[in-house]
Amino acid sequence: EAGVAQSPRYKIIEKRQSVAFWCNPISGHATLYWYQQILGQGPKLLIQFQNNGVVDDSQLPKDRFSAERLKGVDSTLKIQPAKLEDSAVYLCASRTSGTVSYEQYFGPGTRLTVT
Amino acid sequence: QKEVEQNSGPLSVPEGAIASLNCTYSDRGSQSFFWYRQYSGKSPELIMSIYSNGDKEDGRFTAQLNKASQYVSLLIRDSQPSDSATYLCAAPWGGTASKLTFGTGTRLQVTL
Repeated sequence: EAGVAQSPRYKIIEKRQSVAFWCNPISGHATLYWYQQILGQGPKLLIQFQNNGVVDDSQLPKDRFSAERLKGVDSTLKIQPAKLEDSAVYLCASRTSGTVSYEQYFGPGTRLTVT
Repeated sequence: QKEVEQNSGPLSVPEGAIASLNCTYSDRGSQSFFWYRQYSGKSPELIMSIYSNGDKEDGRFTAQLNKASQYVSLLIRDSQPSDSATYLCAAPWGGTASKLTFGTGTRLQVTL
């Protein structure tokens, strides 16, 4: 079974520029998450999708961050304009639904550096 | 949202020893916990899930959950240098427990 795919793996941009990340979850996983992980910290949830609908985006800085999941499969996370404090690893995770398993599986992440 | 706390370490153990990693949580209603391993520069990898009070063993790993003390631990027997990583504890929350709150992680160093 293929895992969660993400691209790009690395991105360096200047502040005030825009950037987009892509995620393809494990096949059949209806729930998709975007996390931000700052060095030395645990992952912090940004947004949760169930199929193509948003379940929770309460921790997404909506003035600069946006995310969508068209057709309930792939998802993109965008930052516009980027700030220095957005430098972090952006992780996508997915989880199956309709079972008692709450396990989430992570993709390789995108390391963003804002200069 | 639940609080999950871990000692950031580093925890240093010699090769072959038992490494004991601990996690405390704030929500008495928590029913399950997860341990993720994260190598430097890599993403978190799920290594253990525990859904009930007591111990769960998987190879060299044992997870222990004590709901009365709001405490969960991960024991790694016969520690190997390849076990050197950061170990993240996570607890589910929210409707249908579909979200995870992570601790800051404990860095484990296994020395030769």
